[in-house]
Amino acid sequence: NAGVTQTPKFRILKIGQSMTLQCAQDMNHNYMYWYRQDPGMGLKLIYYSVGAGITDKGEVPNGYNVSRSTTEDFPLRLELAAPSQTSVYFCASNPRPQGNTEAFFGQGTRLTVV
Amino acid sequence: GDSVTQMEGPVTLSEEAFLTINCTYTATGYPSLFWYVQYPGEGLQLLLKATKADDKGSNKGFEATYRKETTSFHLEKGSVQVSDSAVYFCALRGDRGAGNMLTFGGGTRLMVKP
Repeated sequence: NAGVTQTPKFRILKIGQSMTLQCAQDMNHNYMYWYRQDPGMGLKLIYYSVGAGITDKGEVPNGYNVSRSTTEDFPLRLELAAPSQTSVYFCASNPRPQGNTEAFFGQGTRLTVV
Repeated sequence: GDSVTQMEGPVTLSEEAFLTINCTYTATGYPSLFWYVQYPGEGLQLLLKATKADDKGSNKGFEATYRKETTSFHLEKGSVQVSDSAVYFCALRGDRGAGNMLTFGGGTRLMVKP
């Protein structure tokens, strides 16, 4: 079972460069999320999607964009990388819109902007 | 909005010691509560959950009881092992609002020494 797969695992970007963090899930989950994890700060929600073609902003969306053209894929785009975007990024998915369901997480992408 | 507060780490214990990691929350309605664990270099995994007041979640020797009167969900384990060394996140999912997203605490790093 692949679950939630994120690529790449590590990346170093220069200021002003752009990149796309890939996220794919093979569990047919409608709900998908992008979080960033800063040291000692827990996880903050960047964007989420409740289904193909539908995305919405989370708590910290500035500097990011997402798309959801298929149920499986939910890429996160950084257009102009800034040092403040140095973080670990986690993608997650959720099977159905009920409060007690488990979210499944990818292994994370560690991004450094220099 | 919803929020989760958990004790700051790191928490350093000797093997077989008793563990408590405090977690309190603020939320409207009747949230579901979760503990996630992150082992070094990995993504988050669900450790246990509770969906209503007085429910006790348990897994791998860890327990937490949903206390609505004190808005708490403290994590406990009677005898920790070196393999329990990880970062533990308390989280809640509210019972209203779009996206069904999780709100996380800041995480508590546990280090268990042999």
